[in-house]
Amino acid sequence: AQSVTQLDSQVPVFEEAPVELRCNYSSSVSVYLFWYVQYPNQGLQLLLKYLSGSTLVKGINGFEAEFNKSQTSFHLRKPSVHISDTAEYFCAVSEDSGAGSYQLTFGKGTKLSVIP
Amino acid sequence: DAGVTQSPTHLIKTRGQQVTLRCSPKSGHDTVSWYQQALGQGPQFIFQYYEEEERQRGNFPDRFSGHQFPNYSSELNVNALLLGDSALYLCASSRPGGADTQYFGPGTRLTVL
Repeated sequence: AQSVTQLDSQVPVFEEAPVELRCNYSSSVSVYLFWYVQYPNQGLQLLLKYLSGSTLVKGINGFEAEFNKSQTSFHLRKPSVHISDTAEYFCAVSEDSGAGSYQLTFGKGTKLSVIP
Repeated sequence: DAGVTQSPTHLIKTRGQQVTLRCSPKSGHDTVSWYQQALGQGPQFIFQYYEEEERQRGNFPDRFSGHQFPNYSSELNVNALLLGDSALYLCASSRPGGADTQYFGPGTRLTVL
């Protein structure tokens, strides 16, 4: 069974500083990896995804993530954060649950607070 | 191109009642998944519908049921509501094949009193 661990529940960071949100996963098969962002009282918006190919994935709003198979990690990074990046970020893994069904398993989320 | 839409936005029910939530997938998508997000938690998979059939189910009781219509829209029904069913219910759609990205709607906030 797949599982996702987001190592930090809250990350405060000053505006224009770099940030890394950590994500580790466990799975017995090949997986697809995703980062979603959730702003208050809203649904989930896709930031980026890893399906195959290059292990460095670039997403929207200047975010990027690196897939590390040996360490089973998919950490999210941004070199310079803005106030508007304040939100909750979810790492998710997807694998074939059988019959072509790919359900997402999410971590518990990391709340990013950008301090002016 | 409209994204995933959900209705209603908010809903208040009392214990023991029944509720129906609705979802319209993104254009070109035929697979719909439902997730429950309790306060302060990550979303949890309820079930997935494809070709009007429940294809996969998470660890949720039979009080949670669903339906998919020929136009790919979907409903989530919850019977005998409990206080613990209070949550944000998210619908996600994806293209044929299922391995591709799931796109989420804005969610329905259900409060059970």
